Amino acid sequence: GENVEQHPSTLSVQEGDSAVIKCTYSDSASNYFPWYKQELGKRPQLIIDIRSNVGEKKDQRIAVTLNKTAKHFSLHITETQPEDSAVYFCLTTSGTYKYIFGTGTRLKVLA
Amino acid sequence: NAGVTQTPKFQVLKTGQSMTLQCAQDMNHNSMYWYRQDPGMGLRLIYYSASEGTTDKGEVPNGYNVSRLNKREFSLRLESAAPSQTSVYFCASSALDGTDYSSGNTIYFGEGSWLTVV
Repeated sequence: GENVEQHPSTLSVQEGDSAVIKCTYSDSASNYFPWYKQELGKRPQLIIDIRSNVGEKKDQRIAVTLNKTAKHFSLHITETQPEDSAVYFCLTTSGTYKYIFGTGTRLKVLA
Repeated sequence: NAGVTQTPKFQVLKTGQSMTLQCAQDMNHNSMYWYRQDPGMGLRLIYYSASEGTTDKGEVPNGYNVSRLNKREFSLRLESAAPSQTSVYFCASSALDGTDYSSGNTIYFGEGSWLTVV
């Protein structure tokens, strides 16, 4: 079936550095690419999303880029802060399962 | 406007017992979902309902049943709980029209239900 690969599974960065997480998907019909942040013990929450008619979207320190030809999209966090430490998930659509999540990236920002 | 509400928040079951997780949303959303999240893992789709009156299997449906009671409510039932079903369960909803999944709409999650099967 359709799937989405997310890398890396863990990422440690120094405070103030940038972090990049990438997802590769297989459903060429996908047109919606959100990213979710999940803090420990809490529900996933949307932080940014992009639709296929644009290649990049930015919201303060976070941005998402999309390459539809290569079927991948990436989350970029600049000037990382300790409160950015969490697990990040990409999400994509699937012809069979509607929405499926990537496997997650545990980001740790070191002070 | 409470969003997505699910109950119970915590539950301990004995192997073989049954229980139902309840979920309701007040955003007039068409689509509803049940996910499970094992410790340190991602979210896996159990079942979803693209619209009132329809339900479909997701990635890991075995051992579960669902009911889309009306547009607001989507319940998940464990008929005979097993230790492998120990997990955190999230209900979610979106305005997605089930006939056009690729257009995408934000998914909103409930706070989660922590289930332990002993």
